[in-house]
Amino acid sequence: QKEVEQNSGPLSVPEGAIASLNCTYSDRVSQSFFWYRQYSGKSPELIMSIYSNGDKEDGRFTAQLNKASQYVSLLIRDSQPSDSATYLCAVTIMNRDDKIIFGKGTRLHILP
Amino acid sequence: DGGITQSPKYLFRKEGQNVTLSCEQNLNHDAMYWYRQDPGQGLRLIYYSQIVNDFQKGDIAEGYSVSREKKESFPLTVTSAQKNPTAFYLCASALAGGGEQFFGPGTRLTVL
Repeated sequence: QKEVEQNSGPLSVPEGAIASLNCTYSDRVSQSFFWYRQYSGKSPELIMSIYSNGDKEDGRFTAQLNKASQYVSLLIRDSQPSDSATYLCAVTIMNRDDKIIFGKGTRLHILP
Repeated sequence: DGGITQSPKYLFRKEGQNVTLSCEQNLNHDAMYWYRQDPGQGLRLIYYSQIVNDFQKGDIAEGYSVSREKKESFPLTVTSAQKNPTAFYLCASALAGGGEQFFGPGTRLTVL
């Protein structure tokens, strides 16, 4: 089983709708979870961090963490064409010298 | 302005040459990382350093070397032993290992 898994997409969502991005991880003791946005040809940009179970909201973005199910998600409300990018899920693996493991990313396409 | 800089933005290498990619940060971060990203692929960790004068191999260290003589700087050398070096190279830093990582703009290396 891969340590951090994401559906590669593309995920197509109409403008104004909610985009839902999902990520599962294998290490039960992982404690830190991150979502990055990467535009084509650019470097990843940190958009959300979450450390405890539940929801964390920041503007149009909501991160959801369920440690029992080893599942973290990112919701984007009122999706805009500028949200079209690849979204990387990242998890700190505590027994791997505190390294962050990145998923391969989900490509999101917002349809105008 | 605080941030991470990488240079050059584009680099062309002839086969058999060593090249060095620069990474500098003025965020006062202890941890620094080098990743490689190939088209349509996730981030793969090359080397990381959690403190000055110390660094560890990541998942794909063969053919690469690093140094960490200053807190602010973490240069990566791509040696001639790296057989397929054409890729997008990303440097990141974090306040401490396992924490939020912030990325530089990247260097795109092409072997001619």
